[in-house]
Amino acid sequence: EVQLVQSGAEVKKPGESLKISCKGSGYSFTDYWIGWVRQMPGKGLEWMGIIYRGDSDPKYSPSFQGQVTISVDKSSSTAYLQWSSLKASDSAMYYCARTGGSAYYSRYFDFWGQGTLVTVSS
Amino acid sequence: EIVLTQSPGTLSLSPGERATLSCRASQSVSSSYLAWYQQKPGQAPRLLIYGASSRATGIPDKFSGSGSGTDFTLTISRLDPEDFAVYYCQQYGTWWTFGPGTKVEIK
Repeated sequence: EVQLVQSGAEVKKPGESLKISCKGSGYSFTDYWIGWVRQMPGKGLEWMGIIYRGDSDPKYSPSFQGQVTISVDKSSSTAYLQWSSLKASDSAMYYCARTGGSAYYSRYFDFWGQGTLVTVSS
Repeated sequence: EIVLTQSPGTLSLSPGERATLSCRASQSVSSSYLAWYQQKPGQAPRLLIYGASSRATGIPDKFSGSGSGTDFTLTISRLDPEDFAVYYCQQYGTWWTFGPGTKVEIK
């Protein structure tokens, strides 16, 4: 069974750093892309960026370029999303999601993590 | 960047009725690389349709997708109580972008 299990909810202060995780299981982790999606309270889905097994540079949405860092640890089948200095506006639910395959025609998101709620407040 | 627009923003229907949701792209979506997702409150999104018209594994045939180029449609043939949710389209032909969503609510 394919599963993406994300790390738990976080409460942080502005200016703090944070790294959240997404552990894949039940499939060959290195054969699929892992993307990150933000959902601010009461709002829609925003694609943040994506990484393919760590062999190449992550790809970022222009809206998130320079704001977050996406990485992968192949040895533990885990993807990460990190911030060096959080802002209150980073408060949101963050989802990781796996693509249906590596080819262009399968780059929809077929499995999703349960989400990690990040709250940034002083 | 391809911008997706969804209409209507909210669709008020009764159980048993047919729902037709629209997704329009600011430029042609490569090879119909268009997906639809359903999201219920407190849950992660769920893939319904990919490649504009292919149903994902386990998705009932009351859900159907159509369209090409810049205009796409998701149809729910007969609404059941569990189908009232928010639906998002997404293009994955040129990077990835999501539409703003259509909320299907009980009338």
